[in-house]
Amino acid sequence: DAKTTQPTSMDCAEGRAANLPCNHSTISGNEYVYWYRQIHSQGPQYIIHGLKNNETNEMASLIITEDRKSSTLILPHATLRDTAVYYCIVTNAGGTSYGKLTFGQGTILTVHP
Amino acid sequence: GAGVSQTPSNKVTEKGKYVELRCDPISGHTALYWYRQSLGQGPEFLIYFQGTGAADDSGLPNDRFFAVRPEGSVSTLKIQRTERGDSAVYLCASSLGWGNTQYFGPGTRLTVL
Repeated sequence: DAKTTQPTSMDCAEGRAANLPCNHSTISGNEYVYWYRQIHSQGPQYIIHGLKNNETNEMASLIITEDRKSSTLILPHATLRDTAVYYCIVTNAGGTSYGKLTFGQGTILTVHP
Repeated sequence: GAGVSQTPSNKVTEKGKYVELRCDPISGHTALYWYRQSLGQGPEFLIYFQGTGAADDSGLPNDRFFAVRPEGSVSTLKIQRTERGDSAVYLCASSLGWGNTQYFGPGTRLTVL
């Protein structure tokens, strides 16, 4: 699976949009971009995923560049409860990896009042 | 509906003892994954089940670790002759099938004294 690069930490003011970047320059055509987050002492929580089109759900939006080498997770109105470690993961949904997830260090997002 | 559940939530044991960690996946999910998360790190893949069989156990660190899923639902991760280095949070995830979105349980925190 392709490797991802994320900033170590980011800050955001409550009520503002949080934009979390991720680089995945070696992504291949059949690999998806997944985002999970992990709030302290809890299991990872699925947020959103995409292949090449932008995606939106009730939690967030995912913007993938046209060349697919990077993406941005957008939390439109961050709250204090969004403080967590955010993981960007690239995975081959099929093939020999069986969709197993390779987590990096992630981005620690801190939302301030 | 009910999510992935894991028991116990915490387990403290002594070096050299045997432990079993249980995972109840989401009903109807045929794929089940185990991960391990050490302090300050992202989760690391251990083993993947499709149905009753272990399709990929490449992440198991050594032969002290073993996992079963005899009826294709509940899974048990077994650790023999525990060592202090086995201390970590053990996470279970399930998905509809391999390659589909994985949903994680809350984890079991194992402490080996």
